[in-house]
Amino acid sequence: DTGVSQDPRHKITKRGQNVTFRCDPISEHNRLYWYRQTLGQGPEFLTYFQNEAQLEKSRLLSDRFSAERPKGSFSTLEIQRTEQGDSAMYLCASSLVPSNEQFFGPGTRLTVL
Amino acid sequence: EDQVTQSPEALRLQEGESSSLNCSYTVSGLRGLFWYRQDPGKGPEFLFTLYSAGEEKEKERLKATLTKKESFLHITAPKPEDSATYLCAFGSGNTGKLIFGQGTTLQVKP
Repeated sequence: DTGVSQDPRHKITKRGQNVTFRCDPISEHNRLYWYRQTLGQGPEFLTYFQNEAQLEKSRLLSDRFSAERPKGSFSTLEIQRTEQGDSAMYLCASSLVPSNEQFFGPGTRLTVL
Repeated sequence: EDQVTQSPEALRLQEGESSSLNCSYTVSGLRGLFWYRQDPGKGPEFLFTLYSAGEEKEKERLKATLTKKESFLHITAPKPEDSATYLCAFGSGNTGKLIFGQGTTLQVKP
């Protein structure tokens, strides 16, 4: 399967704990996006990488959130000191410049107790 | 403010009953209008990209159209397997980030 993959698929954690998610984009894609989706809503943009450079962050991304994409390959999204409001589906997508067609992974469902 | 609104929020059809979903948008610089399908608990699946008013694209029972203010997703003779949430989004800025509507949840009954 050469699509976007995400790990883990589900994560249950207690409030105050740190969590880290991984995204592996389609291999030749140079753009990688993170989105967050809550029940009944469309995905909301969080941050974006072109190769290894993080070029934009949403105001939704508080100081507790950090994302990396070392060597322009896979990406990680870390949430520190999780809060119940962080419970959501975290989606990763990738695309290949100049196309803006983004292909999404299956998502990581985070539940903060 | 850039915004996209989808209607209706939910739609129930009988198998074979054709209908249309609407996506209206206000955006300063449109960089593509995108349609996705999303099944429960899964990531969005890419369907179509439209770039200019008057453009149309088709895939099986689905056809997407675009005007200067809105896009329609027409579903012809739907089947139960077409049941899903359909999301529209527009590309924004040089980053290509997508701004999504809230989706239309379609249920097709046999």
